[in-house]
Amino acid sequence: EPEVTQTPSHQVTQMGQEVILRCVPISNHLYFYWYRQILGQKVEFLVSFYNNEISEKSEIFDDQFSVERPDGSNFTLKIRSTKLEDSAMYFCASSWDGRYEQYFGPGTRLTVT
Amino acid sequence: TQLLEQSPQFLSIQEGENLTVYCNSSSVFSSLQWYRQEPGEGPVLLVTVVTGGEVKKLKRLTFQFGDARKDSSLHITAAQPGDTGLYLCAGELKDNFNKFYFGSGTKLNVKP
Repeated sequence: EPEVTQTPSHQVTQMGQEVILRCVPISNHLYFYWYRQILGQKVEFLVSFYNNEISEKSEIFDDQFSVERPDGSNFTLKIRSTKLEDSAMYFCASSWDGRYEQYFGPGTRLTVT
Repeated sequence: TQLLEQSPQFLSIQEGENLTVYCNSSSVFSSLQWYRQEPGEGPVLLVTVVTGGEVKKLKRLTFQFGDARKDSSLHITAAQPGDTGLYLCAGELKDNFNKFYFGSGTKLNVKP
């Protein structure tokens, strides 16, 4: 069964460093998403991406964040200068139709020290 | 203020009991989704409801979307220990396509 994959599973970085989180969405899906979940808190929408551009973004998704689909398979989230409060689980999701079904990856746990 | 309020936050029941969890909002959604999330893993989609008043069944799980598309419920019949987990609702607002809001979840524990 097709699934969304994410790498790395755990990333430790120092405050101020740049990180890139990688995702491989399900191959025939057209809509891609990033969410984050701070430990013990709810899942929060960051950004949606369709047709090689951002479709929607939340207030969390400020200038420190960017997304890219550099080739036909990868979808990346870059955080330019990490802060302690960026420590969270980051989930990638993909959808065929952008409406009714989203499939989530296993997540990348980002720890900023 | 949470856009989607889930209740109860925690629920601990005995195997065989029935339960209902709720997902409420004052806003109208074009669709609501229910997920189950295990610790350290991504949410897994259970169902999507899109039509006001819609009822969907998935084995012992029954999902309902309110007539006004502002609320939803998940009913589990004869709960089993394997149902233990975090249940999340998420929705897409009527006039805000492709942006999804999650509730805080209901943590269910089914004791054998």
